[in-house]
Amino acid sequence: GNSVTQMEGPVTLSEEAFLTINCTYTATGYPSLFWYVQYPGEGLQLLLKATKADDKGSNKGFEATYRKETTSFHLEKGSVQVSDSAVYFCALSETNAGKSTFGDGTTLTVKP
Amino acid sequence: EAGVAQSPRYKIIEKRQSVAFWCNPISGHATLYWYQQILGQGPKLLIQFQNNGVVDDSQLPKDRFSAERLKGVDSTLKIQPAKLEDSAVYLCASSLGTTAENEKLFFGSGTQLSVL
Repeated sequence: GNSVTQMEGPVTLSEEAFLTINCTYTATGYPSLFWYVQYPGEGLQLLLKATKADDKGSNKGFEATYRKETTSFHLEKGSVQVSDSAVYFCALSETNAGKSTFGDGTTLTVKP
Repeated sequence: EAGVAQSPRYKIIEKRQSVAFWCNPISGHATLYWYQQILGQGPKLLIQFQNNGVVDDSQLPKDRFSAERLKGVDSTLKIQPAKLEDSAVYLCASSLGTTAENEKLFFGSGTQLSVL
């Protein structure tokens, strides 16, 4: 079956530090890949997505590249802010099936 | 645009009692999902509806969980009887469809269930 593995957290960084959150997946076929974010007190929301190999998703300064050869979709940001403190979930969905499989989330805390 | 609405926000019950959760998806969204999120874990799919039909309920514990989507809009998820291990946040999500252009999930705020 499909699965998503995220780097274990929590992750604590100082403001303006570089962020990488690792995500690898196992899937049949060619899934779409996502990063969702949950800010404190809010619901899950889509951060970025990529639908095919070598695609790069980007939003709010975050980026992730769909790497089929390494089955990875690592999340990066060059300079984090306190407002980026949240829980980040990597997910995949099967082609044209819609249903998503999620990783267990990585908690990011950014200190001023 | 109104988001996905869920109620109640919190629910505390004793084991063996029953409980129901309600979800109103974004207008026009054909696909509706119920996820269970246990503390410290990612959301796990329980059931997927396309309009008012079930697409996937393979992970739904059917001896105690049931769900329906009335007229392809609102949905209810019921647990009867509840067990201690059902304590979790129950998330409802909707999407326009299931193709690559339409598969973005919109989540509600969830219902936090505590079974004592």
